[in-house]
Amino acid sequence: GAVVSQHPSWVICKSGTSVKIECRSLDFQATTMFWYRQFPKQSLMLMATSNEGSKATYEQGVEKDKFLINHASLTLSTLTVTSAHPEDSSFYICSARDGKLEKETQYFGPGTRLLVL
Amino acid sequence: GQQLNQSPQSMFIQEGEDVSMNCTSSSIFNTWLWYKQEPGEGPVLLIALYKAGELTSNGRLTAQFGITRKDSFLNISASIPSDVGIYFCAGQLSTSYDKVIFGPGTSLSVIP
Repeated sequence: GAVVSQHPSWVICKSGTSVKIECRSLDFQATTMFWYRQFPKQSLMLMATSNEGSKATYEQGVEKDKFLINHASLTLSTLTVTSAHPEDSSFYICSARDGKLEKETQYFGPGTRLLVL
Repeated sequence: GQQLNQSPQSMFIQEGEDVSMNCTSSSIFNTWLWYKQEPGEGPVLLIALYKAGELTSNGRLTAQFGITRKDSFLNISASIPSDVGIYFCAGQLSTSYDKVIFGPGTSLSVIP
């Protein structure tokens, strides 16, 4: 199946710093990528939809100035958590959809665990 | 917004038993998806359903897309210890281009 990678797999940072997380589709071109956040023992909550070459669409309640998303190429989307605070600590998961396959669903990355001290 | 409900919330079963879990929604979905997530990993797609009434199998897993388009179930036959994990149902409201909405998950524990 299609492979989606994320980097880094985990990151620890100090409060107030910014953290960038990369999501790559390894063997297909992803016209659309999605970013999710998952808190412990909870479900995945969609943060934003990222389309290649255009601005991301954020879900209600997600601050676009805090969670910067860039989808500059068909195989890479980045999520930057700006001025991170402890409450931003979470598991961030991206997914990517293969633009060539109409019925194909989204493939998920392995996730990035963020801990803000 | 749209909300999915899953039941049961958690299950503890004996190895070899069959498992059944289901998912309901107040909205009509055009696609139903079942994912499994293990600790510290992203969800992995198990089964995708695209038509009302569709019954699809993947090994010991069987899932059905409800006729009303508002529900789906997942069955696991002859459970084994590696079936342990969180099972999420998810849906897409319109096409496969749409965002995926996740249910709260069913935690499955298998006792050897």
